[in-house]
Amino acid sequence: QVQLVESGGGVVQPGTSLRLSCAASGFSFNTYAMHWVRQPPGKGLEWVAFIWSDGVHDYYGDSVKGRFTISRDNSKNIVYLQMNNLRAEDTAVYYCGGDPPQSGWALDIWGQGTTVTVSS
Amino acid sequence: QSVLTQPPSASGAPGQRVSISCSGSRSNIGRNTVNWYRQLPGTAPKLLLHKNDQRPSGVPDRFSGSKSGTSASLAISGLQSEDEADYYCSAWDGSLEAVVFGGGTKLTVL
Repeated sequence: QVQLVESGGGVVQPGTSLRLSCAASGFSFNTYAMHWVRQPPGKGLEWVAFIWSDGVHDYYGDSVKGRFTISRDNSKNIVYLQMNNLRAEDTAVYYCGGDPPQSGWALDIWGQGTTVTVSS
Repeated sequence: QSVLTQPPSASGAPGQRVSISCSGSRSNIGRNTVNWYRQLPGTAPKLLLHKNDQRPSGVPDRFSGSKSGTSASLAISGLQSEDEADYYCSAWDGSLEAVVFGGGTKLTVL
């Protein structure tokens, strides 16, 4: 079935790095733009990054620009989020989302989320 | 502070109609379509409407959307207890080159 499964979350110290993965199945992954969206505890959704279906272009939210990198491997149906220089304010549940062609940036597939906690 | 502005809360009795607004600017709602998501407690968001008013397969026609200028709204008719959730609007912002979300509206069914 159509599915996104995130992994790689955990508890890390400020200033360290973490790489999240999101494995896709059940749909034409290489035609979908892919996004990462996060949700701090008790707060609303915050868009983090997205990458085109072919991986040529990527875009980032201001709060993560220069620290996070989104990438994808269409041969493995996986999208990654490399997070460097982590801060306490990066603590959140991180969701990956699939954005089909010509959807108007609508995420119609979501993973279950993976939790990142940045704490000393 | 979110780029898109939503009321933090809304409420209605079972069977009633409730509307949730989403206000933006020319660079986001003014020039691009709006999407709406519903998030039940402890679960991932789910797409409710895309391209302002289009319902994905499986979303009942109790949910409708509209857009005018730099604002959009989500309407839910025939309110049911299971509609209690957080609702978010989003759109592409061409100036920021980013997807922007509203702060979310918590809907309570009285």
